[in-house]
Amino acid sequence: DAKTTQPPSMDCAEGRAANLPCNHSTISGNEYVYWYRQIHSQGPQYIIHGLKNNETNEMASLIITEDRKSSTLILPHATLRDTAVYYCILPGGGADGLTFGKGTHLIIQP
Amino acid sequence: DTGVSQDPRHKITKRGQNVTFRCDPISEHNRLYWYRQTLGQGPEFLTYFQNEAQLEKSRLLSDRFSAERPKGSFSTLEIQRTEQGDSAMYLCASSLIGGAGTGELFFGEGSRLTVL
Repeated sequence: DAKTTQPPSMDCAEGRAANLPCNHSTISGNEYVYWYRQIHSQGPQYIIHGLKNNETNEMASLIITEDRKSSTLILPHATLRDTAVYYCILPGGGADGLTFGKGTHLIIQP
Repeated sequence: DTGVSQDPRHKITKRGQNVTFRCDPISEHNRLYWYRQTLGQGPEFLTYFQNEAQLEKSRLLSDRFSAERPKGSFSTLEIQRTEQGDSAMYLCASSLIGGAGTGELFFGEGSRLTVL
């Protein structure tokens, strides 16, 4: 059973905010939510992670709902170089937590 | 460059041959992971090491696959008697757990295997 659920694809206009949702209803109390992205033909790249508070860094913001059953990754001003597959994962709890799923293919439109 | 490096980047082999991939992690990282990725799929976990100890293996890691991290630094992934279904990108990642580490994985560029 997948630990996270993400839409398979999304479009966003260049310069607009891209909001990528992730459902993780089976998250346990001490599990962090991690986000990675993978640009074509490259290895995945870490973006951000959080436990229950919202987080922001130079790449993105992470909004986690109060019940922690879902989160949203926000790229505030998307550029063409943000076109990639975005993965939401819960790395705690054994080998299943270390598998990425299929992620969301975000396409930034010019 | 202090990132994760993998070698070779590309390998073409004939079915039945053995292949070995090498991963050099970020030097202070204590965990090292191997993943496999096929076209259109996300990375699938294969195994990971904490220092030199192999702590977990996926059921995907058949007995033809073996991984080592002999001194807790670089790691090798060997595939014996390759099959066409082994064609994939093999990704290595490292992380620092404990101390100042926050657990994020740093990935290499991968080793692409094609089995003819």
